[in-house]
Amino acid sequence: GENVEQHPSTLSVQEGDSAVIKCTYSDSASNYFPWYKQELGKGPQLIIDIRSNVGEKKDQRIAVTLNKTAKHFSLHITETQPEDSAVYFCAASRAGFQKLVFGTGTRLLVSP
Amino acid sequence: GAGVSQSPRYKVAKRGQDVALRCDPISGHVSLFWYQQALGQGPEFLTYFQNEAQLDKSGLPSDRFFAERPEGSVSTLKIQRTQQEDSAVYLCASSLKRDTYNEQFFGPGTRLTVL
Repeated sequence: GENVEQHPSTLSVQEGDSAVIKCTYSDSASNYFPWYKQELGKGPQLIIDIRSNVGEKKDQRIAVTLNKTAKHFSLHITETQPEDSAVYFCAASRAGFQKLVFGTGTRLLVSP
Repeated sequence: GAGVSQSPRYKVAKRGQDVALRCDPISGHVSLFWYQQALGQGPEFLTYFQNEAQLDKSGLPSDRFFAERPEGSVSTLKIQRTQQEDSAVYLCASSLKRDTYNEQFFGPGTRLTVL
């Protein structure tokens, strides 16, 4: 089955810096890659997603890149703010299957 | 309501007790998912419904876990004879359609502690 690895497990940056989180997946049939933000005591919130027919997608300060050949995808947050502090999860889903396979999470801390 | 709701938010059970966790998906959402999230880990898939049909239950860890969605809306996850290893946050998610690419909206979860 699919296996998603995520790095780093923790990331500390200063406000205004950029943050990059990387994930790799094992199943070449996976074709949908969402990113979730989870704050303490809350459920995961979708922040951006990318499909296999696209190499990059941006939404304001957030961007995601996908390299299908290498089977890895990354989340880029620019101009970080303290409210970006949370745990971020990448996930992958295979065509024809609804379930998401999640990475182990990255705890992002943005210091003022 | 505006989002997925779950109840109770917190549940403490003694080992061996049965528990029932409820999920109210977003109105009109066809697909409903249950995930289990252990402390410090990512969510892990348990089971999936499309309307009232349970199409995938491959993630249920044992036959003590049972889920249902009899009318295609509210779902209940039941755990019989709870064990300490069942302690986790149980997340419910729903999505509007049945497409693979469809966005899953998560509820706040139920934190289960088994003593």
